[in-house]
Amino acid sequence: KAGVTQTPRYLIKTRGQQVTLSCSPISGHRSVSWYQQTPGQGLQFLFEYFSETQRNKGNFPGRFSGRQFSNSRSEMNVSTLELGDSALYLCASSLPRGGSNEQFFGPGTRLTVL
Amino acid sequence: GQNIDQPTEMTATEGAIVQINCTYQTSGFNGLFWYQQHAGEAPTFLSYNVLDGLEEKGRFSSFLSRSKGYSYLLLKELQMKDSASYLCAVRKQDGQNFVFGPGTRLSVLP
Repeated sequence: KAGVTQTPRYLIKTRGQQVTLSCSPISGHRSVSWYQQTPGQGLQFLFEYFSETQRNKGNFPGRFSGRQFSNSRSEMNVSTLELGDSALYLCASSLPRGGSNEQFFGPGTRLTVL
Repeated sequence: GQNIDQPTEMTATEGAIVQINCTYQTSGFNGLFWYQQHAGEAPTFLSYNVLDGLEEKGRFSSFLSRSKGYSYLLLKELQMKDSASYLCAVRKQDGQNFVFGPGTRLSVLP
């Protein structure tokens, strides 16, 4: 079974630009979560999508948004990029609910904002 | 508020046993997870506790005390490949809403 895939793997943008990252979950997984990982703040939850609906949201500004398609693929968008948005963005997929439904992480997209 | 604490770094010797502690204060609790993350790689799932007690899985065990807001990950027969960061994460009441700790960087020395 193929794992979680994320594209692109690396991205360089400048302040003020916007960026879209893509995530394809493991086949059959309908929950997709997004995280930001930085050396200073660690791994921080951005949002979770299930059945094309945002089910949970972390404490990030409105510049961070996402969506999920009917095939469970998800995208996240960051508008008006700031230097502090430089981070590794991880996507994780899982079965929808309950028990030890572990999250399977993708390799991440390394975003650098100049 | 939400707060998860772990030691920043730990060092141990190959073949030894190490215990990584995690304390948490979160609004809502629906399970505690441990993940391993090697440098430059994505986190991978190690263990899950939702009830008090010890869960054993090969060389790795995880313990939970919900009343104390405390968990630990026990690694036995340490191997060099166990050098990694270990992340403690609490899943909140619904969905896949996680709060992650800062991670503990473990170095296993020969």
